[in-house]
Amino acid sequence: SYVLTQPPSLSVAPGKTARITCGGNNIGGKSVHWYQQKPGQAPVLVIYHDSDRPSGIPERFSGSNSGNTATLTISRVEAGDEADYYCQVWDSSSDYVVFGGGTKLTVL
Amino acid sequence: EVQLVESGGGLVQPGGSLRLSCAASGFTFSSYDMHWVRQAIGKGLEWVSAIGTADDTYYPGSVKGRFTISRENAKNSLYLQMNNLRAGDTAVYYCVRAGDDWNFDYWGQGTLVTVSS
Repeated sequence: SYVLTQPPSLSVAPGKTARITCGGNNIGGKSVHWYQQKPGQAPVLVIYHDSDRPSGIPERFSGSNSGNTATLTISRVEAGDEADYYCQVWDSSSDYVVFGGGTKLTVL
Repeated sequence: EVQLVESGGGLVQPGGSLRLSCAASGFTFSSYDMHWVRQAIGKGLEWVSAIGTADDTYYPGSVKGRFTISRENAKNSLYLQMNNLRAGDTAVYYCVRAGDDWNFDYWGQGTLVTVSS
């Protein structure tokens, strides 16, 4: 089955740029979606179709996808961005939805 | 405003059954694929099942044969029948609306299922 690999944790100082990676075999050929989840809350879609932003999501959030790695980039990181972030794809060959293991972003 | 409200969670013994419900509002329910996603406490997200607009269904191997997803468009409702429950099924279960390429644009607040003797 298809596997998505994320780093378990990432720490970044306020005002800096956070880049969260999501690795998968030829993930560049798939459509990647990203979710933010704060403690005690349901996940929120922050990026879909690799790089599109839902309404209400700040422009500081952006995404890219190529080769074997997709990346969620958060510019000018704020304390409120501290959360768990998950990547997700639909593996059309198996009709499975796959999530990455999640990355805990800590704002120093 | 899109709303998804889950219900039906609770404590159940191993081997038991439980039926979750999700009441949808604020959108044309019959036009969207719907999913269930679960999350064990302190763990990551795990996809549980999906149902398309034509009632086509999809499951991962971990729940196939034990869980059944269904929908009732006249009642704007989604269901998950869970049988032969195991301790490993303990989690918060989210009802989720799917967009193109099955991105999950709206989530309910979740309902907790605890499987324990």
